[in-house]
Amino acid sequence: DAGVIQSPRHEVTEMGQEVTLRCKPISGHNSLFWYRQTMMRGLELLIYFNNNVPIDDSGMPEDRFSAKMPNASFSTLKIQPSEPRDSAVYFCASSWASGRSSYEQYFGPGTRLTVT
Amino acid sequence: AQKVTQAQTEISVVEKEDVTLDCVYETRDTTYYLFWYKQPPSGELVFLIRRNSFDEQNEISGRYSWNFQKSTSSFNFTITASQVVDSAVYFCALMPGNTPLVFGKGTRLSVIA
Repeated sequence: DAGVIQSPRHEVTEMGQEVTLRCKPISGHNSLFWYRQTMMRGLELLIYFNNNVPIDDSGMPEDRFSAKMPNASFSTLKIQPSEPRDSAVYFCASSWASGRSSYEQYFGPGTRLTVT
Repeated sequence: AQKVTQAQTEISVVEKEDVTLDCVYETRDTTYYLFWYKQPPSGELVFLIRRNSFDEQNEISGRYSWNFQKSTSSFNFTITASQVVDSAVYFCALMPGNTPLVFGKGTRLSVIA
């Protein structure tokens, strides 16, 4: 299996620009998670989907952030407009969940975003 | 509230020493899962182990071992005969039921040759 795939691996953009991060989960997994990692705040959950439906987006910082999962094999995280404080590593993870049973999340390699 | 505390921010050991990384969690759920992840300098997050709340058996995998004690709400991780390649940030995480992971702040382990 190819694992969770994220693109791009690195993104440098100017403040005010739109940024789109992409994720392809592991085939067969039905839950997808977007995390952000910074030195100050550690790993934060932004949003997660179950069976392509957003379940909890309370971690999304503000309206500039949006996420979609149009099908089971693709998700995007968009920041518009971007700001320097959005600079971080963004991870996508996927797992299988059924009822009250949950299994380990597998993480993608991350996208390092730098907003200047 | 769900919370994971990794009190050790940084640990340095000399190669071949044993080292234990502490993890204490808080949850009111009776069904939950505990995890350890490794983040090497390359940045990816690598899954190490998953343990459910009904299984308190300790687990050993090579040089790695985990001690789960519900009585003290702890899930500690021991590396035996540490190696330089073990240098990484290690995260303990809690998943109460079928909900997202709650991560600790991580412990940075440096193994010196």
